[in-house]
Amino acid sequence: DAKTTQPTSMDCAEGRAANLPCNHSTISGNEYVYWYRQIHSQGPQYIIHGLKNNETNEMASLIITEDRKSSTLILPHATLRDTAVYYCIVKNNNAGNMLTFGGGTRLMVKP
Amino acid sequence: DTGVSQNPRHKITKRGQNVTFRCDPISEHNRLYWYRQTLGQGPEFLTYFQNEAQLEKSRLLSDRFSAERPKGSFSTLEIQRTEQGDSAMYLCASRHQTATGNTIYFGEGSWLTVV
Repeated sequence: DAKTTQPTSMDCAEGRAANLPCNHSTISGNEYVYWYRQIHSQGPQYIIHGLKNNETNEMASLIITEDRKSSTLILPHATLRDTAVYYCIVKNNNAGNMLTFGGGTRLMVKP
Repeated sequence: DTGVSQNPRHKITKRGQNVTFRCDPISEHNRLYWYRQTLGQGPEFLTYFQNEAQLEKSRLLSDRFSAERPKGSFSTLEIQRTEQGDSAMYLCASRHQTATGNTIYFGEGSWLTVV
């Protein structure tokens, strides 16, 4: 699976949009971009994933650049409960592939 | 609550003792994964099952560790002769493999403290 690069930490004001970037310049054509987050002392929580089109669900939006070398996770109205470590993971959906976690971005939402 | 259940949630044990963790995946999920996470690090893959078959093991899974999924439903992870370095959160995850549904869902983890 391709490697990802994320900023170590970010701050965001409560109520504002949080934009979390991820670089995956070596992504291959059949690899998906997945986002998970981990709130302190809990298991990772699935947020969203996409292949090449932008995706939106009740939690977030995922914007993938046309060349697929980077993506941005958008939390439209961040709350204090969104404070967590956010992991961007590139994964091939072929049989067996597990998720490989990097360091992630520690997002701190401040009042 | 993702539907992946792990027990016990917390375990404190003395060095040298054996411990066992149980994972009940989401019903009908045919793939089950075990991960380990130490403080300040991301989760690290240990092993995974396709139904009852253990298909891959990480080099992190020393011979003191054994995982089973006897009937392709729940799974157990046993650590024998625990060491202080085994202190970590052990995460279980499951996934239903289909043409489109490949999302992996994690449980809340089992914390192990070896004293």
